[in-house]
Amino acid sequence: GEDVEQSLFLSVREGDSSVINCTYTDSSSTYLYWYKQEPGAGLQLLTYIFSNMDMKQDQRLTVLLNKKDKHLSLRIADTQTGDSAIYFCAESRGDDYKLSFGAGTTVTVRA
Amino acid sequence: DTGVSQNPRHKITKRGQNVTFRCDPISEHNRLYWYRQTLGQGPEFLTYFQNEAQLEKSRLLSDRFSAERPKGSFSTLEIQRTEQGDSAMYLCASSGVIGEKLFFGSGTQLSVL
Repeated sequence: GEDVEQSLFLSVREGDSSVINCTYTDSSSTYLYWYKQEPGAGLQLLTYIFSNMDMKQDQRLTVLLNKKDKHLSLRIADTQTGDSAIYFCAESRGDDYKLSFGAGTTVTVRA
Repeated sequence: DTGVSQNPRHKITKRGQNVTFRCDPISEHNRLYWYRQTLGQGPEFLTYFQNEAQLEKSRLLSDRFSAERPKGSFSTLEIQRTEQGDSAMYLCASSGVIGEKLFFGSGTQLSVL
């Protein structure tokens, strides 16, 4: 959606780190999310962060949130071929937790 | 916890026909959401339920679309008089006690010929 923007493509070498970036417009966003979608499949929740946090780490995944700049990033350490997918950034506001998604970043991992 | 289940996985129909999709949320999840995703785009919110009550409908949900969740468990999404522009992946998600964690099903891919 227009409220959430992501770069469309990222190519990374196997074993390197990937960094996927996202910007959002609404300062009242309460939660920010990263979902992964493989071809023909639904969305898998990877991680999410509350807006009063600036970092969250979960195994190979690190989420950084810069609330002042409304910028969210997802770092994937030691990227593997199984990480090739589309990654969606999303945000929610209020307690209805309706998500607004970006258009997705297609990550291609090359050997 | 068997995850969110959607049926059918694929549906091909002719323009003008009615179609119905089903979503079974994770057991005891009280919230259920429907989204639509077109090629190259992120999912767009359509509607959501808290238990059996439909609390919000997006303007994307024209009067040809209707969603129900009669007993607060499974939900159906019906599209009447389908149009080619309805071709998309229809995704269902549910959330429970931890309301901010939405879990998605694998979707129903609709093709209108």
